[in-house]
Amino acid sequence: GQSLEQPSEVTAVEGAIVQINCTYQTSGFYGLSWYQQHDGGAPTFLSYNALDGLEETGRFSSFLSRSDSYGYLLLQELQMKDSASYFCAVNTGGFKTIFGAGTRLFVKA
Amino acid sequence: EAQVTQNPRYLITVTGKKLTVTCSQNMNHEYMSWYRQDPGLGLRQIYYSMNVEVTDKGDVPEGYKVSRKEKRNFPLILESPSPNQTSLYFCASRIGLADTQETQYFGPGTRLLVL
Repeated sequence: GQSLEQPSEVTAVEGAIVQINCTYQTSGFYGLSWYQQHDGGAPTFLSYNALDGLEETGRFSSFLSRSDSYGYLLLQELQMKDSASYFCAVNTGGFKTIFGAGTRLFVKA
Repeated sequence: EAQVTQNPRYLITVTGKKLTVTCSQNMNHEYMSWYRQDPGLGLRQIYYSMNVEVTDKGDVPEGYKVSRKEKRNFPLILESPSPNQTSLYFCASRIGLADTQETQYFGPGTRLLVL
């Protein structure tokens, strides 16, 4: 079967750096995306990696290693507003997308 | 404002009573998709559409139907809802297929309770 594994919960303090890992096992792979979802809200797009390496967008960075079927989202200078759920998602081909179960990030003061 | 809209936002219904959840986008996107979100399971793709009159099944299509008669609209139809379809539903759209068009834009969600 196809699966994406990510930790269910992560806790960090304000101002710190946190890394959320995602390992995937899918029949096809065209790229890894990350989405943020606040309680009661809709998922919003954060980043996308199609090739190996690091993509940086402000305080957020995303990394992909296709050979290891692994990626991560790195959040720097954590703020209270970063408390949310984070989902990794794999484009398995065309318009088919598989999401992980999500990682709930708690940011403490 | 560029957006994806869904209606209704909340719906309580009874088993077997047909319902439709509408989805509309004003960004002229080719691709649209429906997901359901359940605790601990993340988002699971129900159906997707590559363009007008072109649709295909996602991972959990059983019990659902869709149609794409116009580019902007992609309604989700539950012909005979059952309690296991109680969930939070999201519609999403995306420009196209290229890597640079990977971003999916999600609607606000529809919370459905089937009694």
